[in-house]
Amino acid sequence: DAKTTQPTSMDCAEGRAANLPCNHSTISGNEYVYWYRQIHSQGPQYIIHGLKNNETNEMASLIITEDRKSSTLILPHATLRDTAVYYCIVRVAQLGDDKIIFGKGTRLHILP
Amino acid sequence: DAGVIQSPRHEVTEMGQEVTLRCKPISGHNSLFWYRQTMMRGLELLIYFNNNVPIDDSGMPEDRFSAKMPNASFSTLKIQPSEPRDSAVYFCASSFGTGRDEQFFGPGTRLTVL
Repeated sequence: DAKTTQPTSMDCAEGRAANLPCNHSTISGNEYVYWYRQIHSQGPQYIIHGLKNNETNEMASLIITEDRKSSTLILPHATLRDTAVYYCIVRVAQLGDDKIIFGKGTRLHILP
Repeated sequence: DAGVIQSPRHEVTEMGQEVTLRCKPISGHNSLFWYRQTMMRGLELLIYFNNNVPIDDSGMPEDRFSAKMPNASFSTLKIQPSEPRDSAVYFCASSFGTGRDEQFFGPGTRLTVL
């Protein structure tokens, strides 16, 4: 899987939009961008994924640049419960292979 | 569905003892994953199964670790003999296995080897 680069940590004020960047400059054409998060002491939780187009669900929006070399996860109205480690993952989607290789992620602190 | 179920939630044992961690995946999921998380090494994939067959065990640290999936609703991760450096949180996750599916994680087992 292609490597990703994320900032080690970020702060965001409660109620503001949290924008988490991810660089994946070596991404291949058949690789998807996935985001997971891990709240303290819990198992990781899926957030969103995309290939080329921007995606939105009830949790977040994913903006992928046109060249696909970077992406941004947006939490539109951050709350204290969004404090977590956020992992950006790039992987090939292949039948029978849902394997994920986690990096170090970004530790997001939501400030009251 | 109750989600992925892991037991025990906490395990404290002495060096040299055998440890067995258990996982029940979400019903209907075809893939099952075992991860280990430590402060030093982060989240590491140990092994994963598809349709009860081990597909990739390259993350299993050494022969002291073994994993089985005798049926679609149960898997075990065994450490024998255990060592203090095995202390970690062990997560089990499952997915449908189509390649683009999200993984659903269990609450984890916190293992402490004294």
